[in-house]
Amino acid sequence: DAGVIQSPRHEVTEMGQEVTLRCKPISGHNSLFWYRQTMMRGLELLIYFNNNVPIDDSGMPEDRFSAKMPNASFSTLKIQPSEPRDSAVYFCASSTGQVSSGANVLTFGAGSRLTVL
Amino acid sequence: GQQVMQIPQYQHVQEGEDFTTYCNSSTTLSNIQWYKQRPGGHPVFLIQLVKSGEVKKQKRLTFQFGEAKKNSSLHITATQTTDVGTYFCAGRNTGFQKLVFGTGTRLLVSP
Repeated sequence: DAGVIQSPRHEVTEMGQEVTLRCKPISGHNSLFWYRQTMMRGLELLIYFNNNVPIDDSGMPEDRFSAKMPNASFSTLKIQPSEPRDSAVYFCASSTGQVSSGANVLTFGAGSRLTVL
Repeated sequence: GQQVMQIPQYQHVQEGEDFTTYCNSSTTLSNIQWYKQRPGGHPVFLIQLVKSGEVKKQKRLTFQFGEAKKNSSLHITATQTTDVGTYFCAGRNTGFQKLVFGTGTRLLVSP
C-alpha cells in the first residue's frame, strides 16, 4: 500500500495566486481529513469528509479556502487568493471506520509545504 | 470548543533519562490517541486508549488514560536518540469523528 499520497510536496507562490493541494487517500478508507500545521497554531483540522461528503468544515479559515472530494480516491484543497499567512504545512489524512465507532486511526500523508511570498 | 493542551511544550533530556508529557482536555473524551512526528516528517499513530484508567505499554513507552477521561500521559523510560520528535495526543468527543490534536511536546535527546 502506497499510503496517503499528497502533491505537491513543496510549493512556493506569490500572494494572490491560486494554490491547489491534492490528496489520494488509502484505498478503502472512507474518511478524509485536511489539517494545517504551523508553529504558532499547531495542528488544526480544516475539514473532513465521510464517504466523500463534507461533514465538518468549521475549521476552514475563510472563504478563500475550499475543499472538494469528487470521488473516494481524490480530494483537493484550494486557496484563492493565497496570502503570506497561509504559509504552512498542509496534511491530508485518511481513516476507515464508521462515524459512531470513534475508533478511527489516522494515516497521514507526507504533507505539502506551502510558502506564500 | 474543545481544547487539548499538552505540557511541557519542549523538553531536552540526556540519553538514558526518563521523559513524560501530559495531555489535558477541556471536555470528557471517548478515547485518546497518541502520535509521534519526527522532525520534518508527518504524525504517525502510536496507540489508542479507550477505557477510564487504562494503561498500555509499548516497550519503553507507557500510556495512561485518566479516570475522568479528560487527561492522559505518555512516559518514556530511558530515552534514546531515536525518541526525538514531537509527541501529540489527540482526543475525540463521544459520538463525533472529529479528532482534536493537542499542542504537542517536542522532545530532544542528547547522546
